Amino acid sequence: GESVGLHLPTLSVQEGDNSIINCAYSNSASDYFIWYKQESGKGPQFIIDIRSNMDKRQGQRVTVLLNKTVKHLSLQIAATQPGDSAVYFCAEKGAGNMLTFGGGTRLMVKP
Amino acid sequence: SQTIHQWPATLVQPVGSPLSLECTVEGTSNPNLYWYRQAAGRGLQLLFYSVGIGQISSEVPQNLSASRPQDRQFILSSKKLLLSDSGFYLCAWNSGRSTGELFFGEGSRLTVL
Repeated sequence: GESVGLHLPTLSVQEGDNSIINCAYSNSASDYFIWYKQESGKGPQFIIDIRSNMDKRQGQRVTVLLNKTVKHLSLQIAATQPGDSAVYFCAEKGAGNMLTFGGGTRLMVKP
Repeated sequence: SQTIHQWPATLVQPVGSPLSLECTVEGTSNPNLYWYRQAAGRGLQLLFYSVGIGQISSEVPQNLSASRPQDRQFILSSKKLLLSDSGFYLCAWNSGRSTGELFFGEGSRLTVL
C-alpha cells in the first residue's frame, strides 16, 4: 500500500552544523506534507508544511524541500541546537483529510 | 485559540483491567478526532478516527474501542487490557476545512503489567 518512510532512523550532528532529515513517499497523489517534531514524552508538534505545488518553503531555521519527481521530502535545520534533539516525523495527506506518518528519525545534537 | 487536553498522562494497569483515556478539544466545533498509538521508539499508528458524534472508524483490529459521546470528547477504552496494549497514546484533532494538519495532545503513557 501507500507509505511514507525515512532513510535514516538516527542522525547525529554537531551543535552548530546543519541537519538534513530525509523522507520518501510513494503516493504520487499526496498534495500536502508536514514535518513534526516530537520531544521525549510529548506529543508531536508542527514544524513546517508544504503543498505539492511548491518545491521549497522556509521557516525560522528550517527549510522543507519537496521533489515530486523522485517523491522525496527533506527537512533542513540550520545551525542545529541542543533543543533540536527530538524525533522528526514526515507526514503526507492523500485522499480525504487523513495523514500518513513516516517511521520517524531521531536527531541527536552533540555539544 | 484551540486547545486539546488528554488524560491521564501516565497510568500503570494490570493485565485484564479496564482502560479509559479521555480527550477533549476546546475552541473549535465539529473537529475530526483521532487516537494514535506509539510503541517505544516507533512511529505513529492510527487506531481510530471520528468525523462526528457517534461516528467511529477503526483502522486496525484490536483490543481497544473508541467512543465520541460529545462533539469535542473522544474516549479510548478497553474492557480487558493485554500486555501488548502498552504504549504512548496520542489524541489529535483537525478541522474538516483545514489542509489536514493535525494538532496533538500531550499523550498518555500506558504500562500494562
